[in-house]
Amino acid sequence: GESVGLHLPTLSVQEGDNSIINCAYSNSASDYFIWYKQESGKGPQFIIDIRSNMDKRQGQRVTVLLNKTVKHLSLQIAATQPGDSAVYFCAEKAGNTPLVFGKGTRLSVIA
Amino acid sequence: ETGVTQTPRHLVMGMTNKKSLKCEQHLGHNAMYWYKQSAKKPLELMFVYNFKEQTENNSVPSRFSPECPNSSHLFLHLHTLQPEDSALYLCASSQDGGQLNQPQHFGDGTRLSIL
Repeated sequence: GESVGLHLPTLSVQEGDNSIINCAYSNSASDYFIWYKQESGKGPQFIIDIRSNMDKRQGQRVTVLLNKTVKHLSLQIAATQPGDSAVYFCAEKAGNTPLVFGKGTRLSVIA
Repeated sequence: ETGVTQTPRHLVMGMTNKKSLKCEQHLGHNAMYWYKQSAKKPLELMFVYNFKEQTENNSVPSRFSPECPNSSHLFLHLHTLQPEDSALYLCASSQDGGQLNQPQHFGDGTRLSIL
């Protein structure tokens, strides 16, 4: 799991390296997953989503991996840039139920 | 520009005041949401409107009163709030609030401080 505020997990990455942010979910019925990025002073921004019939999906510089066996979701960011510094959190959805959000991981990019 | 605009961006009010938060989406979506974001907690869903009908009220105290006059506008009326209500209030919209698995798009929120 993740946490926010004073207990927010932080990932520090050198500029140019790849970043991997992880998310564990608990509902085995979840069939839709989203990654969001939230910069300071802004609302969450949609990055990428994946449905449970897939285990990998790629976007621009980002890849989401889904492992339903262990209920694990990850976001990979290639060639991390200073503009990638933000809080990242995952969200899951099961059927018609509302999205459930994780607490977030803070990504700090070291120039 | 996310297509979801929230006003005001910041609001300071006393516990006896009445104020309203406004949200407008320009994405042609049919569902709109209010969330509360506090430190040390995940996003908390408050209300969901789908085609102007309220479909979710997540045990929110009655001092928060939503209003959805049409699919593009959403309000959150506030009265007699408590200090613990200080938080970032986020509005979101999506194509559909039910079966379709579509991402929600968020505004930048209203930072609310209760004195």
